[in-house]
Amino acid sequence: RKEVEQDPGPFNVPEGATVAFNCTYSNSASQSFFWYRQDCRKEPKLLMSVYSSGNEDGRFTAQLNRASQYISLLIRDSKLSDSATYLCVVNEQTGANNLFFGTGTRLTVIP
Amino acid sequence: DVKVTQSSRYLVKRTGEKVFLECVQDMDHENMFWYRQDPGLGLRLIYFSYDVKMKEKGDIPEGYSVSREKKERFSLILESASTNQTSMYLCASSLAGGDAGELFFGEGSRLTVL
Repeated sequence: RKEVEQDPGPFNVPEGATVAFNCTYSNSASQSFFWYRQDCRKEPKLLMSVYSSGNEDGRFTAQLNRASQYISLLIRDSKLSDSATYLCVVNEQTGANNLFFGTGTRLTVIP
Repeated sequence: DVKVTQSSRYLVKRTGEKVFLECVQDMDHENMFWYRQDPGLGLRLIYFSYDVKMKEKGDIPEGYSVSREKKERFSLILESASTNQTSMYLCASSLAGGDAGELFFGEGSRLTVL
């Protein structure tokens, strides 16, 4: 059983569409949650942290549902530049060595 | 601009060769990490270090060793490369006590073992 699971996609959406990804985690005691973005043949980069109350950064909204053990990422008004793989990351304990990465969800935004 | 630099972007080695992957960060971060990334498996932690000369095993340390002689440099060593070590290797660093999920990654080293 994987600690973090994501639908690998690919999600192919037209420009301007709204798209949402979910990620489930297995450890109910997990402490903190993040979304990373990884462009093709590039390194992962932190997109946003996910807070219990939900948080928004421009067109991106992240939410946490502890009861159901999942986090979500919503992208509104998709741009071509949003095409990337989105990695869900869960920290099970204090300290960065307890990070678990999902395998990623691939998004392609089509003109 | 903060940076994590990995010395080699692409390497091709033969089975049994010793391989060194170097990583340098210029952010004065205490924590450094080595991951490998494989299709369908995501990122898996090989080793990490919280301080100079300190190292801890991650989830998949077998077949690897590391060295951290200076704060800014963290090296991954494959003593005798095998074909199942063909992978993308990613180095990362983070601040001690900072946001525990904010890692800064290097561009990766793609290793092929023949």
